Amino acid sequence: GESVGLHLPTLSVQEGDNSIINCAYSNSASDYFIWYKQESGKGPQFIIDIRSNVGEKKDQRIAVTLNKTAKHFSLHITETQPEDSAVYFCAATPASTSYGKLTFGQGTILTVHP
Amino acid sequence: GAVVSQHPSRVICKSGTSVKIECRSLDFQATTMFWYRQFPKKSLMLMATSNEGSKATYEQGVEKDKFLINHASLTLSTLTVTSAHPEDSSFYICSASPSLDRGLGYTFGSGTRLTVV
Repeated sequence: GESVGLHLPTLSVQEGDNSIINCAYSNSASDYFIWYKQESGKGPQFIIDIRSNVGEKKDQRIAVTLNKTAKHFSLHITETQPEDSAVYFCAATPASTSYGKLTFGQGTILTVHP
Repeated sequence: GAVVSQHPSRVICKSGTSVKIECRSLDFQATTMFWYRQFPKKSLMLMATSNEGSKATYEQGVEKDKFLINHASLTLSTLTVTSAHPEDSSFYICSASPSLDRGLGYTFGSGTRLTVV
C-alpha cells in the first residue's frame, strides 16, 4: 500500500532563510503530489501540487520538486516569513486509487524566528 | 476558488449522544467528498469516502455504524458520530475537489473539534 513519510518532524529557521521540507513516498504508482499547510485549529490549506510528469513547479515563494527515481518530493520556501510558521503535510495519490484518496505524511512543524 | 464549508467548528456533547457534522461545497458540485480524522500533533487519517447518491466507502478499521455518512446532494455530506464516547473526541475534517485537472488539489473544510464528555 501507499505510505508517505517525512524525514524531519521539526524545522526551525530564521526569518529570511530558505526552507526545505522533504517527503518520501513508497508507492511507485503515485502520480500526484501535494503540499498542505495547517495552522492550529484549522483545516489543511492547499499550497502547491505537482504531477509525476513534471520535475519542478513554482508559485512565487513556494516551489515543489519531484524526484521519481528516489521517490521523494520537496517543498521549498524562499525568504521564509514568520507567517509561514505552521505544520506542513505532504500527500500523494496513485492514479489507480479512488479519486481524491490521499495518503498523508506525518507532518513537519516549521517555526520561523524573527 | 473552491470553498468547502464545515459546520460546526466546535461541539461538546455528552457520552451516548449523537453529533452531526456538515460539509458543504459552496461554489462547486462534489460527487465525492472525504472525511478525515486527526488526533493532536498527528497526521490526517482518511475515515471514509462519501459518494453522492450511494453508500459511503469506509477505510479498514472504521466502524460504519458508528460514523454514519450521508451524501444526499452534490453540495452536502454529513458525518454523524453515533453514541459518542470520549475516545471519539478528535478533530474531524472533510475535503472535496471540483476537478483534479484544475490543479486545485483538494480543498479542506475548517474542521470540527469534537469533545465528548
